[in-house]
Amino acid sequence: QQQVKQSPQSLIVQKGGISIINCAYENTAFDYFPWYQQFPGKGPALLIAIRPDVSEKKEGRFTISFNKSAKQFSLHIMDSQPGDSATYFCAAIDYGGSQGNLIFGKGTKLSVKP
Amino acid sequence: DAGVTQSPTHLIKTRGQQVTLRCSPISGHKSVSWYQQVLGQGPQFIFQYYEKEERGRGNFPDRFSARQFPNYSSELNVNALLLGDSALYLCASSNRQPDTEAFFGQGTRLTVV
Repeated sequence: QQQVKQSPQSLIVQKGGISIINCAYENTAFDYFPWYQQFPGKGPALLIAIRPDVSEKKEGRFTISFNKSAKQFSLHIMDSQPGDSATYFCAAIDYGGSQGNLIFGKGTKLSVKP
Repeated sequence: DAGVTQSPTHLIKTRGQQVTLRCSPISGHKSVSWYQQVLGQGPQFIFQYYEKEERGRGNFPDRFSARQFPNYSSELNVNALLLGDSALYLCASSNRQPDTEAFFGQGTRLTVV
């Protein structure tokens, strides 16, 4: 059972455009939602994270929007640049659960065209 | 300051063999987790160790085992390798449990032939 569903699988955006990646979760016990960025041959790197007590968090060109009632959250990359081309993973964690592991979505491969 | 280091970076093994992967966490981090990333998929949780104790185990067969040493480094062992074990194995370190603000290493690319 996939607990975090991510879409789209791939995304092509023009330089300067907005990239939007969506995730949905099922487990209402999840209480921490990070996004990771992964370049080929590298491990995932934490990009930005949000807790469900806020509806939006912004760090530079990256914004997380969170809808607790819909159990959905999304990543917006403003002014997308070719250097943003990477695979992005949403994830979730049950802070109070017995196991403190990350549960990842399947990933979105983003290509930003110059 | 060194990040999470994993060794080796690449490995080729034959079906039925055993493999040991190693991870050194960021200095001061006491939590180490192991994830398996199959090509085109998100990482899947295998094990978590915190303060040298197993704190979590994912849905992987008993062929997979791990341990954490007094210096907080960790090893992941896989016995009786199958072709399906071919993947990128990632180690993540954190200074707390659960894995909030987890930092990943570059991974070990394991190919089973």
